[in-house]
Amino acid sequence: EAGVTQSPTHLIKTRGQQATLRCSPISGHTSVYWYQQALGLGLQFLLWYDEGEERNRGNFPPRFSGRQFPNYSSELNVNALELEDSALYLCASSTRQGGTEAFFGQGTRLTVV
Amino acid sequence: AQSVTQLGSHVSVSEGALVLLRCNYSSSVPPYLFWYVQYPNQGLQLLLKYTSAATLVKGINGFEAEFKKSETSFHLTKPSAHMSDAAEYFCAVSGGSTLGRLYFGRGTQLTVWP
Repeated sequence: EAGVTQSPTHLIKTRGQQATLRCSPISGHTSVYWYQQALGLGLQFLLWYDEGEERNRGNFPPRFSGRQFPNYSSELNVNALELEDSALYLCASSTRQGGTEAFFGQGTRLTVV
Repeated sequence: AQSVTQLGSHVSVSEGALVLLRCNYSSSVPPYLFWYVQYPNQGLQLLLKYTSAATLVKGINGFEAEFKKSETSFHLTKPSAHMSDAAEYFCAVSGGSTLGRLYFGRGTQLTVWP
């Protein structure tokens, strides 16, 4: 069974540009979560999508947005990139049932120069 | 509200020694608790989880953790460290209306000396 897949693995962008990160969940999982892991800041929750709807949002500015498609895959968009957006972006998926574990992808390393 | 505190950002042990990584949680609802491991430049891998069944939870790679409600703790242990255990470990809590959203601790970097 395929795990959570993220693309691209690495992304280099210039300050002010837009970045699009993609995530395919495990088959049967309807929930997708996005986390940012920046150096020294730990794992910060960004967004949670389930059944195509945004269910919860972390403390990030509106230039961080995303969506979930009918096949439950998801996209994270970061507009007007800033240097401090450089981080590892992790996607996770789970069923919607409380207490089930989230399975993580390998992440997308975003570098803003 | 839920939160996790991991005591000690860095822990060093000798190969063969006991590994103890500390985690205390705060939760206004019955918590689900998790330990994840992250190797360099990789995603997170689940080690074990507590979901209100047995309080002593056994995970992969010889790790286990004990849920102690009175102490609001969920410490991770392994009797004998191996070089391959060197990694960063994250404790996380979920539960309540946010369902599967995880609240992570800051992580503990484990170093294993030969």
